[in-house]
Amino acid sequence: GAVVSQHPSWVICKSGTSVKIECRSLDFQATTMFWYRQFPKQSLMLMATSNEGSKATYEQGVEKDKFLINHASLTLSTLTVTSAHPEDSSFYICSARVGGSQTQYFGPGTRLLVL
Amino acid sequence: AQTVTQSQPEMSVQEAETVTLSCTYDTSENNYYLFWYKQPPSRQMILVIRQEAYKQQNATENRFSVNFQKAAKSFSLKISDSQLGDTAMYFCAFGPNFGNEKLTFGTGTRLTIIP
Repeated sequence: GAVVSQHPSWVICKSGTSVKIECRSLDFQATTMFWYRQFPKQSLMLMATSNEGSKATYEQGVEKDKFLINHASLTLSTLTVTSAHPEDSSFYICSARVGGSQTQYFGPGTRLLVL
Repeated sequence: AQTVTQSQPEMSVQEAETVTLSCTYDTSENNYYLFWYKQPPSRQMILVIRQEAYKQQNATENRFSVNFQKAAKSFSLKISDSQLGDTAMYFCAFGPNFGNEKLTFGTGTRLTIIP
């Protein structure tokens, strides 16, 4: 149980284009999902907290107009990197929290390379 | 704000031996959760073990156990009979016991199991 999927696992795009990453909880409903960014050999950096049916809460320094988050259902949250630039290249990970629990279950991550 | 400290950037141990990873944290709260996550080379974050602060008994999951010292704010992970598949980054994380608060992660310990 508590499986989280992410799609795509790999994406390469040209500078200036937008990329959408999907995060799904497969066997449970998640009222809260989280989006992280991880640089090589570093810890996870929380970008935003996504709540179903409401606006996401962004961490300080994260541009909300650049990283658009939509949590339209209890099993799906999406992160759209708008007008991507090479510096946005990174590993993006989502997690979902089981209701009533503080435990987060993570997706397998998405490697984004912007050329 | 909570902080989580992992003072061992890297560790290595022979296969079948026991290894202990350290983690300390700082908080003013009385009820909270602590977690150990494992990130193997695939970069998938995997929950290893979870401890609820109000429980005095140390959590155990097969070969993985913790030494939770609430007064000392210490939460170490012991891996017994280590296996090659235990090679990974290990992250300690603190989670508040309320609302949609985020997890606070340590900087990680890179563990290598030597054949």
